Amino acid sequence: DADVTQTPRNRITKTGKRIMLECSQTKGHDRMYWYRQDPGLGLQLIYYSFDVKDINKGEISDGYSVSRQAQAKFSLSLESAIPNQTALYFCATSRTSGNEQFFGPGTRLTVL
Amino acid sequence: KNEVEQSPQNLTAQEGEFITINCSYSVGISALHWLQQHPGGGIVSLFMLSSGKKKHGRLIATINIQEKHSSLHITASHPRDSAVYICAVSGSARQLTFGSGTQLTVLP
Repeated sequence: DADVTQTPRNRITKTGKRIMLECSQTKGHDRMYWYRQDPGLGLQLIYYSFDVKDINKGEISDGYSVSRQAQAKFSLSLESAIPNQTALYFCATSRTSGNEQFFGPGTRLTVL
Repeated sequence: KNEVEQSPQNLTAQEGEFITINCSYSVGISALHWLQQHPGGGIVSLFMLSSGKKKHGRLIATINIQEKHSSLHITASHPRDSAVYICAVSGSARQLTFGSGTQLTVLP
């Protein structure tokens, strides 16, 4: 089945460390997204990419960077992790012509 | 004020009950989405609708564009329906704005 995968699924790190979360998809979708989810809050958009050469900031991009290495891969980096970046992170994909988004399983990140 | 408001935030029901979760939004939209997030964290899309009503098994989603309101109904609820249900809207740029979710617990 075409799918969206995220690695790692769980990560515990320390303040100040650089962390990379990876997302891969076999759906052939052009659009990819990174979200974070905090308890009691809706998902918030960090970055999104409409194709390999088109990367855009979302509503909470400070402290994060991304790389779209290929149509199928979209990585999220925390340059210097801080405790309030502890959250559940989701990658999602969508077709250029569609509204529906398909989510990866999530990465639970804890920054101590 | 959030652009997407859901109610209730938490809902506990007995198995077999009819359940309604509400979503109101304040912006123009191209589509409204209902998503389900299971305790393990994964998110799946249940419905995407821009008008009227859709049904899938025991789940029914309706939308009233004029009133900017949508409801998700679950008939004959079952403990396996326990999850967080999330309403989201997409605008002209097709990006999603999410509600904070409704935690549903169905007791046997």
